Amino acid sequence: EAQVTQNPRYLITVTGKKLTVTCSQNMNHEYMSWYRQDPGLGLRQIYYSMNVEVTDKGDVPEGYKVSRKEKRNFPLILESPSPNQTSLYFCASSPQERRTEAFFGQGTRLTVV
Amino acid sequence: GQQVMQIPQYQHVQEGEDFTTYCNSSTTLSNIQWYKQRPGGHPVFLIQLVKSGEVKKQKRLTFQFGEAKKNSSLHITATQTTDVGTYFCAGDSGGGADGLTFGKGTHLIIQP
Repeated sequence: EAQVTQNPRYLITVTGKKLTVTCSQNMNHEYMSWYRQDPGLGLRQIYYSMNVEVTDKGDVPEGYKVSRKEKRNFPLILESPSPNQTSLYFCASSPQERRTEAFFGQGTRLTVV
Repeated sequence: GQQVMQIPQYQHVQEGEDFTTYCNSSTTLSNIQWYKQRPGGHPVFLIQLVKSGEVKKQKRLTFQFGEAKKNSSLHITATQTTDVGTYFCAGDSGGGADGLTFGKGTHLIIQP
């Protein structure tokens, strides 16, 4: 089954404690991205990757890092989480050459206290 | 940068009434996509529009892309409780690699 898998689904952490949210897709997609969703603000892109070893900032990259060492994986790293990073995070992938349908993961609800 | 405005933010309707959400881009789009997010769920792709003036239908849903490729609409006829959720438009400018810019979404609330 074609899917994008995020882990964990829920996470409560403390300010400053480094964390990683994993994202993996099994569709051989080149393009992957991370979004955060906040009430009244919709989906905002954090980082994206066009292919392996190619990443770039989206609209709200501050406080986040990503890596793309393999085509299927695109982890989101919060080196020093702060309460304003409490949000719902989505990973998505799509075939770059078509710039079409984005497949979203189930989401990760992060709370930073 | 590209901006995509979507209205209304919330829409309450009685079951059986029609519903429309509108999307406007600050720049000409290569294509526009629509997604639906059920409460507690993740966005799910509905459709992509590419051509100027394009109209597509999916059962009770009608999608339109404006002639100038800067605006779009989603119309639902005779809403049902299963239509509840947030509808997002997402514009693709076609240039560069930054992908989709999402509107803030329209929350559809249906009263039985």
